[in-house]
Amino acid sequence: KNQVEQSPQSLIILEGKNCTLQCNYTVSPFSNLRWYKQDTGRGPVSLTIMTFSENTKSNGRYTATLDADTKQSSLHITASQLSDSASYICVVSPPQTGNNRKLIWGLGTSLAVNP
Amino acid sequence: SAVISQKPSRDICQRGTSLTIQCQVDSQVTMMFWYRQQPGQSLTLIATANQGSEATYESGFVIDKFPISRPNLTFSTLTVSNMSPEDSSIYLCSASRGLKNEQFFGPGTRLTVL
Repeated sequence: KNQVEQSPQSLIILEGKNCTLQCNYTVSPFSNLRWYKQDTGRGPVSLTIMTFSENTKSNGRYTATLDADTKQSSLHITASQLSDSASYICVVSPPQTGNNRKLIWGLGTSLAVNP
Repeated sequence: SAVISQKPSRDICQRGTSLTIQCQVDSQVTMMFWYRQQPGQSLTLIATANQGSEATYESGFVIDKFPISRPNLTFSTLTVSNMSPEDSSIYLCSASRGLKNEQFFGPGTRLTVL
């Protein structure tokens, strides 16, 4: 069983609409939880990094939340734009003090924003 | 942040041949990593490229198949040796300024093996 599961697998929304992507994890405790955006044919780009003690973190129109009790994180995208079309990946860093060698990657949610 | 470039961006290769992928970072970084991303799969860490010494490989990856060099703090290469169609994948280089710090990724190299 994957330790980081994301839903939905894919999502289509209209430009200007909001959406929320989900990440459920079983890694506990953990050092930090990251959300990445990966455009087609590009490498992942970091959106947010949250430690286990943080509940929310924003980066422009992107807001990530974290509930350590339920082991869930969400990424909320406000007023979506065509350029938001990408894969969004949830990544958990296990408790080896955030060791970049031990990151656990989700499969991602593929988001398509249509005009 | 760090800007990372990779060459080539894509290639189509014949079975049994080898391909070397180059990764260049625009500033000095402590850590450099090589990942593989197969279709529909999450990223898998191949190895950590260590400057001046042998790379540290993750389970399932060996030096004979994926030799790695890192001659200085801004440059690394990954060779995919004796390729088979199963090696068709996107290979990503990443870098960070510490073991705990944010990772930056290159654009990836899309490899197709016929």
